[in-house]
Amino acid sequence: DAKTTQPNSMESNEEEPVHLPCNHSTISGTDYIHWYRQLPSQGPEYVIHGLTSNVNNRMASLAIAEDRKSSTLILHRATLRDAAVYYCILRYNHNFNKFYFGSGTKLNVKP
Amino acid sequence: NAGVTQTPKFQVLKTGQSMTLQCAQDMNHNSMYWYRQDPGMGLRLIYYSASEGTTDKGEVPNGYNVSRLNKREFSLRLESAAPSQTSVYFCASSEAPQQGETQYFGPGTRLLVL
Repeated sequence: DAKTTQPNSMESNEEEPVHLPCNHSTISGTDYIHWYRQLPSQGPEYVIHGLTSNVNNRMASLAIAEDRKSSTLILHRATLRDAAVYYCILRYNHNFNKFYFGSGTKLNVKP
Repeated sequence: NAGVTQTPKFQVLKTGQSMTLQCAQDMNHNSMYWYRQDPGMGLRLIYYSASEGTTDKGEVPNGYNVSRLNKREFSLRLESAAPSQTSVYFCASSEAPQQGETQYFGPGTRLLVL
């Protein structure tokens, strides 16, 4: 099964953009890329997902490399409330009931 | 709209005791999931139910059983708790098992097994 690799932690200043990278070099052609985040002492919450094209929503943007071996979650203006663990997850085509979370990137936002 | 609710919020068990974690969703979702999260780690899937009346094993099913009581409720049972089952347990639901669909998570149950 394809896995994802993310940095353990990143730091950002408040109101600056944040680029959270994810490598998934063994992704297959029909696997979706999902991002979730987990605020302290809470359950994960959905952020964004995509297949091939870049995606935007009110929370973030997702930039997917042309070869799909990596992706980047972009928070356009980080706030203190964005401090969380961000998980990059592949949704496998052959068994999409199974979500593999990995250990994620802990984002610290400095005021 | 409460979303996904879990009870209890916190529980302490002794080794060998049994307990059932309850989960309910009010979004009319077809699929429900149980995950565990150990300190400093991501979530791991224990069991899931793609639709009412079906259940299937996830990544770490040993030591657990589940029951999809109806469309709303999905319970997780520990028959004989062990210290290795000390963890935070999250329930989630989604409309249907599709690649693009979103999972909605509950607030979690913190379980300590002594």
